[in-house]
Amino acid sequence: DQQVKQNSPSLSVQEGRISILNCDYTNSMFDYFLWYKKYPAEGPTFLISISSIKDKNEDGRFTVFLNKSAKHLSLHIVPSQPGDSAVYFCAASEGTYKYIFGTGTRLKVLA
Amino acid sequence: SAVISQKPSRDICQRGTSLTIQCQVDSQVTMMFWYRQQPGQSLTLIATANQGSEATYESGFVIDKFPISRPNLTFSTLTVSNMSPEDSSIYLCSVEDRGLDTGELFFGEGSRLTVL
Repeated sequence: DQQVKQNSPSLSVQEGRISILNCDYTNSMFDYFLWYKKYPAEGPTFLISISSIKDKNEDGRFTVFLNKSAKHLSLHIVPSQPGDSAVYFCAASEGTYKYIFGTGTRLKVLA
Repeated sequence: SAVISQKPSRDICQRGTSLTIQCQVDSQVTMMFWYRQQPGQSLTLIATANQGSEATYESGFVIDKFPISRPNLTFSTLTVSNMSPEDSSIYLCSVEDRGLDTGELFFGEGSRLTVL
């Protein structure tokens, strides 16, 4: 049973526009969420995180929104740049280091 | 942040053989983690490697298949034993940076194994 789901395997966005990547989870006990970006032949790199006590966290062009009632989080990238083209993973944990990852969404930003 | 080096970066292996992946961290860390990413799937935690004790394996993973060593606070190895094509995956070493208090995980570049 997939506890963390990224239902869109891929997404294409025009440069300068907003990219919205979505993630759903089933475990209401998850209390910490992270987004990672992965380029080919590289390990995932941390982008942004959010604790369950917040509903929004912003870092430059990246904003993560958390809707606990819907068990949904999203990553917004504004404005999108060609260098943002990568696979994005969301991950969730229940108070431990044990993170459950989604299957990833491949973002392609078109110049 | 932690810098993690993994070797080999990729390898092609024959069915029935074993391969050991090495992970070196540039700082001392208490826990190191081994993940697997099979084609089209998410990152799945295989086990947690603790220095001075046996590794803790997740459901579906066993020590006989994935023996792990953790001789010191900066190094770990994962062996994929008696490989089959189903073991073709990217294997990633990871550490958590507790100093940042973000729960952020740092990953190595991964080792891509192809089993023929």
